[in-house]
Amino acid sequence: DADVTQTPRNRITKTGKRIMLECSQTKGHDRMYWYRQDPGLGLRLIYYSFDVKDINKGEISDGYSVSRQAQAKFSLSLESAIPNQTALYFCATGATWDGSNEQFFGPGTRLTVL
Amino acid sequence: DAKTTQPPSMDCAEGRAANLPCNHSTISGNEYVYWYRQIHSQGPQYIIHGLKNNETNEMASLIITEDRKSSTLILPHATLRDTAVYYCIDTTSGTYKYIFGTGTRLKVLA
Repeated sequence: DADVTQTPRNRITKTGKRIMLECSQTKGHDRMYWYRQDPGLGLRLIYYSFDVKDINKGEISDGYSVSRQAQAKFSLSLESAIPNQTALYFCATGATWDGSNEQFFGPGTRLTVL
Repeated sequence: DAKTTQPPSMDCAEGRAANLPCNHSTISGNEYVYWYRQIHSQGPQYIIHGLKNNETNEMASLIITEDRKSSTLILPHATLRDTAVYYCIDTTSGTYKYIFGTGTRLKVLA
């Protein structure tokens, strides 16, 4: 089984709908991240969390919210989806205790907002 | 804005070495250089990282200039499966955040 899983893998929704993307990890990592990727561009950081009680905004947090329900779970919500939030969304994890900045990415969720 | 700059695309013949350059002219003393690659639209995959010294692992080698303003990722014997977008990222120790640029799209040609 994959260490970092994302659900759903594909989602089509309509403008104004609330949707939630979920991320789970079995790596035991303390850090979790949400990124979005638009065609032809690199990933941009939306939110990140260094533990259950720590949530931080990234570069592009407007229009998004997150919840760290447990160390292993980090959810991203779009309260009222709009078409320019159509993108590929990635979750990632990292371990602070190993002294490394390495991040481990999930397979991605392709979101389309009509 | 990204702190690194990379050429947008490169081609490499299969079996030859692929040398991917990266400029990180604003890098500071405690910032590591990380390389990832993204195949199609999959999640980025870690390749290698370094601080000052050259590094090698089973996937690649990383050459960092003495002034640390640039680095080169070397894939010694490129295969078709190495076709991907390669990202060079610098990250300050302890911040645990990445700022991605647009990367280099490497195409390995048969």
